[in-house]
Amino acid sequence: DIQMTQSPSTLSASAGDRVTITCRASQSISRWLAWYQQKPGKAPKLLIYKASTLGSGVPPSFSGSGSGTEFTLTISSLQPDDFATYYCQQYNTYPLTFGGGTKVEIK
Amino acid sequence: EVQLVESGGGLVQPGGSLRLSCAASGFTFSTYWMSWVRQAPGKGLEWVANIKQNGSEKYYVDSVKGRFSISRDNAKNSLYLQMNSLRAEDTAVYYCARDLRGYCSGGSCYNFFDPWGQGTLVTVSS
Repeated sequence: DIQMTQSPSTLSASAGDRVTITCRASQSISRWLAWYQQKPGKAPKLLIYKASTLGSGVPPSFSGSGSGTEFTLTISSLQPDDFATYYCQQYNTYPLTFGGGTKVEIK
Repeated sequence: EVQLVESGGGLVQPGGSLRLSCAASGFTFSTYWMSWVRQAPGKGLEWVANIKQNGSEKYYVDSVKGRFSISRDNAKNSLYLQMNSLRAEDTAVYYCARDLRGYCSGGSCYNFFDPWGQGTLVTVSS
């Protein structure tokens, strides 16, 4: 199975900060990576797919990059609504696997 | 509006069975792969299983193989997850999700998920 490792697991930041989350795959997944945002008690929401393509309705403050085994999700200017947990997911191989999550909390 | 509504969760004893349902609306259900993804309390996301449009292909995570079975009824726009021999570690919120095609190779497709239902809680405990 492909292991997905996110860092950091928790990130404290202030509104307006630029935030970067890293996701590493245990083997190359080309660009077959998605990012999701989840708020407490809610279902995850797709943010990015194919490493850098924004999902429908996702604000341009979110961006993704990377290929192979290392990927990043960047929020250019953190908004109050962005405090949430973020997950990466590889779709290169079965079983489809997620990273452990990165919680972005208010500093 | 695309909508996925799960039902069927509840409290079940270890070794018991439960059948989850997901009612889809707002899109042509029969043209999409569909998945179940679960989240144990306070934990991360785990993909459980998915099924091709016509039900001819199904994939499972190893931990549920032989115990869980995914199925669909395109006439009813519904997805199902039959869960047998339930264990305490199966306790989770189970989400139904529409697969979007990532890429296909060698006859198989590898997908990401959008949107997700609101989830249904399954608790396995005596």
